[in-house]
Amino acid sequence: SYELTQPPSVSVSPGQTATITCSGDGLPRKYVHWYQKKSGQAPVLVLYEDSKRPSGIPERFSGSRSGTMATLTIDGAQADDEADYFCYSTDRSGGGLFGGGTRLTVL
Amino acid sequence: QVQLRESGPGLVRPSETLSLTCTVSHYSIDSGYYWGWIRHSPGRGLQWIGSIYSSGSTYYNPSLKRRVTVSLDTSKNQFSLKLTSVTATDSAVYYCARQGSPISMEGKIDPWGQGALVAVSS
Repeated sequence: SYELTQPPSVSVSPGQTATITCSGDGLPRKYVHWYQKKSGQAPVLVLYEDSKRPSGIPERFSGSRSGTMATLTIDGAQADDEADYFCYSTDRSGGGLFGGGTRLTVL
Repeated sequence: QVQLRESGPGLVRPSETLSLTCTVSHYSIDSGYYWGWIRHSPGRGLQWIGSIYSSGSTYYNPSLKRRVTVSLDTSKNQFSLKLTSVTATDSAVYYCARQGSPISMEGKIDPWGQGALVAVSS
């Protein structure tokens, strides 16, 4: 079955660049969207259609997609960026699919 | 601005049916878009459950398809989730959300409701 694979964890120091990847065989044909999830809060859309930032999302969040991999980049990570990040896409039948999530630690 | 809010029991007995309702504000759900359910649990991350289009057509996660029904009530501007034969592994925070574009399920999931915590326990 089709899956989206993310690294379980990423750690960076404040001010450094954090890179979170999402890989899947279907990604060459599908957009990827990224969500930030903090404990006790609903997921927040931080990037959609690979690289577009919704209103209110800081410019330090950026994204790209090439081949079977999509990447979320946080330039100058801050303590407030510490959270779980999930990529999301759709499979061949149009069904939704999330990656397993990446815990970003900023310390 | 579109707003969604989940409602329903916070405790369900094993083997029974989980039922949740999502009330949508500031947008008529029969005007387009897909309307979906997603759940989150600490050990399993986010899981897409299923969606329904404004016309009533549905898509379900294959792993849950046998137990899931998503339905619309356009008179109340609500859509609902039913998950049968629940077990402890179905304990999670359940979110309702708008999905895709006015004519396609492909696309971002946004906005989301605040979430409803459901525990499965005897």
